[in-house]
Amino acid sequence: GESVGLHLPTLSVQEGDNSIINCAYSNSASDYFIWYKQESGKGPQFIIDIRSNMDKRQGQRVTVLLNKTVKHLSLQIAATQPGDSAVYFCAEGLGYSTLTFGKGTMLLVSP
Amino acid sequence: GAGVSQSPSNKVTEKGKDVELRCDPISGHTALYWYRQSLGQGLEFLIYFQGNSAPDKSGLPSDRFSAERTGGSVSTLTIQRTQQEDSAVYLCASSQNGARETQYFGPGTRLLVL
Repeated sequence: GESVGLHLPTLSVQEGDNSIINCAYSNSASDYFIWYKQESGKGPQFIIDIRSNMDKRQGQRVTVLLNKTVKHLSLQIAATQPGDSAVYFCAEGLGYSTLTFGKGTMLLVSP
Repeated sequence: GAGVSQSPSNKVTEKGKDVELRCDPISGHTALYWYRQSLGQGLEFLIYFQGNSAPDKSGLPSDRFSAERTGGSVSTLTIQRTQQEDSAVYLCASSQNGARETQYFGPGTRLLVL
């Protein structure tokens, strides 16, 4: 999603629901993608990554889907918990260049 | 071992003053990055050090910003003649071998320029 001013796009879910966070990336040549989680007052924490030769990768409770046709990346979190509340960033990379980060989506999980 | 550490955790300064922010990367990591994060925004790349190669300074917003990495380990980001728009969280990250590796972030330094 897009951010307007200081307001991050926000996804509000109930505990136990599945969450899907979306990201549109900018460079069709990007070949490496990462999702980071950032809790309030902390630095970003790596969640999961995916190379462009894959379209799906699963971790513990998380799945990343990559659609290169429309330059879209999504993070699915199963059985969302209050501890999942954070800002989630996608990042894209190409070759050995540095990563380009998106603006982030805030996930709010209600008990 | 310890993760990436940064100091100070918070810094309040007056407009026009110089500030130095420190980053201690994970031991053995050859790559080190500095980012800036403004309130409610994503991460803005500033500078990237990889081993003994010349740093990638392409993200530095002005010549008031500079960074050094001594001995391939600790890095210092210096902002000269700070402006109010420099207020942000400055994040440091390191990775084992380079830009394609997972970056591990420090907690950041929150800079407020009055």
